[in-house]
Amino acid sequence: KNQVEQSPQSLIILEGKNCTLQCNYTVSPFSNLRWYKQDTGRGPVSLTIMTFSENTKSNGRYTATLDADTKQSSLHITASQLSDSASYICVVHSNDMRFGAGTRLTVKP
Amino acid sequence: KAGVTQTPRYLIKTRGQQVTLSCSPISGHRSVSWYQQTPGQGLQFLFEYFSETQRNKGNFPGRFSGRQFSNSRSEMNVSTLELGDSALYLCASSLAGTMNTEAFFGQGTRLTVV
Repeated sequence: KNQVEQSPQSLIILEGKNCTLQCNYTVSPFSNLRWYKQDTGRGPVSLTIMTFSENTKSNGRYTATLDADTKQSSLHITASQLSDSASYICVVHSNDMRFGAGTRLTVKP
Repeated sequence: KAGVTQTPRYLIKTRGQQVTLSCSPISGHRSVSWYQQTPGQGLQFLFEYFSETQRNKGNFPGRFSGRQFSNSRSEMNVSTLELGDSALYLCASSLAGTMNTEAFFGQGTRLTVV
């Protein structure tokens, strides 16, 4: 069983709408949690890095939250744009890196 | 400044052959890590090098190996290729290791084994 579970697996939204992606993890010990955006055919790009003591972190229209007690994180995308269409990967850093399977987001006009 | 450069971008090999992939990190970065990405398994960590030393290793067979040179450039080698090795191989560079500093990914090498 993957120790980093992401939901939904895929998501289709209309341009301008908001959406929230979920990441639940059981990895221990915990060092930090990162959200990456990966466009098709390209390498992942870091969006946010959150440590144990951080609850919320924003990067433009992206806001990540972390609840270290329940081991849950979310990535909220505000006012979506067509360029937000990509896979979003949650990565938990422990003794090594544990990857979620990703959420495939499609933004339609 | 230049990003992470991976060569070649695409590669087709036959079962049983070996392959070497190259990764040039961002200037000044001393850590390079390698990952395999497949539709079925997603991203999986292969290994990480820091200052020419392997610092961490994922759960892959010994056919997968790597090394890092004094200029921080890294190579990954896969011997006796199997069909299941077909994947996107990504490398990432970081200042001092992916655990504590941000990782910057290259565009990957798409390996197809036939």
